[in-house]
Amino acid sequence: DIVMTQSPDSLAVSLGERATINCKSSQNILFSTNNKNCLTWYQHKAGQSPKVIIYWASTRESGVPDRFSGSGSGTNFTLTISSLQAEDVAVYYCQQYHSSPPTFGGGTKVEIK
Amino acid sequence: QGKLQESGPRLIKPSETLSLTCTVSDDSIRSYYWSWVRQPPGKRLEWLGYIYHTGRSKYNPSLNSRVTISVDPSKNQFSLQLTSLTAADTAVYWCAKTLIPGTAGWFDPWGQGILVTVSS
Repeated sequence: DIVMTQSPDSLAVSLGERATINCKSSQNILFSTNNKNCLTWYQHKAGQSPKVIIYWASTRESGVPDRFSGSGSGTNFTLTISSLQAEDVAVYYCQQYHSSPPTFGGGTKVEIK
Repeated sequence: QGKLQESGPRLIKPSETLSLTCTVSDDSIRSYYWSWVRQPPGKRLEWLGYIYHTGRSKYNPSLNSRVTISVDPSKNQFSLQLTSLTAADTAVYWCAKTLIPGTAGWFDPWGQGILVTVSS
C-alpha cells in the first residue's frame, strides 16, 4: 500500500496568516494517462463529513475559496491556505488514488492562534 | 451532487456481523462507484471497499475477506456487511460517492457518518 505522511500533526496560525500543510507519498502518484498527480485534499470540520477541496493535486473543487491552493508533484505535495479565516478551522487530510487501496494521510489539525 | 445517508445499528456485540445501509438521494446509483470509509477513534481514515451498480466490487485486502458490499439499484441503496467484529472495528463509518479515473478513486460527497461501537 502507498503510505501517506502528513506534517505537521497540528498547526496554529493567526487570522489572515498563511497555513501550509505537507503530504508525502511513499511512491510516485503521477497518473500517466493525463500527467496529473492522483492526490485529493479533504477538509473535515467537527460534526460534519469530510469535503473535497482539491483534487488532481491542484484543481480546486467548485465553490472552494481561492485562498486554498494545492501544489506538488511526484511524492511531495502541499496544501496552502493563503489567508486563514475562522471558518477554516478543521482537520485536513490528503489521500492518494493512484493505486488501490486508496490511502489517507494521518491528518493535520488547523487552529487559530 | 447528491446526498447520502447511512443507517444501521450504533451498538453491536463482538463476533457479530455489522450491516449498514447507505441511501442515495438526488443522484442515481447507476452512475459512478460507491464506497464505504471508516475512521476508528484516534486513527486514520480507511477505505473498506466500493461497488458499482452492476455488482462489481473491490475491497481493501486489510479487512481479510470480512467485508462484503452489495447494491440495490431499485432502492438507490448500497450496503456494507462486516463480519467477526472486534473492538478494533469501533469507528465512524461513512458512505461516499467514488470517482475512479484509474484503479482507485476519491470520495465526493460523503454521508454524515454513523458511529458504530463494538462492545458487549
